[in-house]
Amino acid sequence: ELKVEQNPLFLSMQEGKNYTIYCNYSTTSDRLYWYRQDPGKSLESLFVLLSNGAVKQEGRLMASLDTKARLSTLHITAAVHDLSATYFCAMEARNTGNQFYFGTGTSLTVIP
Amino acid sequence: DSGVTQTPKHLITATGQRVTLRCSPRSGDLSVYWYQQSLDQGLQFLIQYYNGEERAKGNILERFSAQQFPDLHSELNLSSLELGDSALYFCASSVAQGVREQFFGPGTRLTVL
Repeated sequence: ELKVEQNPLFLSMQEGKNYTIYCNYSTTSDRLYWYRQDPGKSLESLFVLLSNGAVKQEGRLMASLDTKARLSTLHITAAVHDLSATYFCAMEARNTGNQFYFGTGTSLTVIP
Repeated sequence: DSGVTQTPKHLITATGQRVTLRCSPRSGDLSVYWYQQSLDQGLQFLIQYYNGEERAKGNILERFSAQQFPDLHSELNLSSLELGDSALYFCASSVAQGVREQFFGPGTRLTVL
């Protein structure tokens, strides 16, 4: 069974600190997506990672992809309160008809 | 605003009933995806359509069906509703080829009583 696992599930961090969210997936994939969801809202696309070694940065967030390790990371630098949200990674499984599999989500709370 | 629209925003119905959720993709997007989000199941991929044809199928129950029309809007039909079908249903759209970054609609919150 294809799985996408994120950890941690819950993350509480102080403003100004750094942290990394991990996304592990169980099958070969070279396409990994990160989304943000605010409470009661829809999902917003953050990053699209298309190849091994891909790194994308936007503001205080940086995402990377290691297809050999089947691992993607979302690194948060100097967190601010506005980053509080739930973050999802999603893998596109090209060997199963291009289905999308979402991780469990990481609920991030940044404490002032 | 992603450009994807969904109606209705909220839907309250009773067990055994049938409902239809509607989605209009972003202008130019040919692919439409449906997802179910609930506390116990997380975000589950249901089904994908591309230019009117079913492209991929996920964890979609037999009581559920979907279609994409020539104008590219899509409908998700849920029948014989059960309490456990209460969830947020999202529609997303993407361009047809290459990178398939998905843009999500605001969702329809379904409550089955």
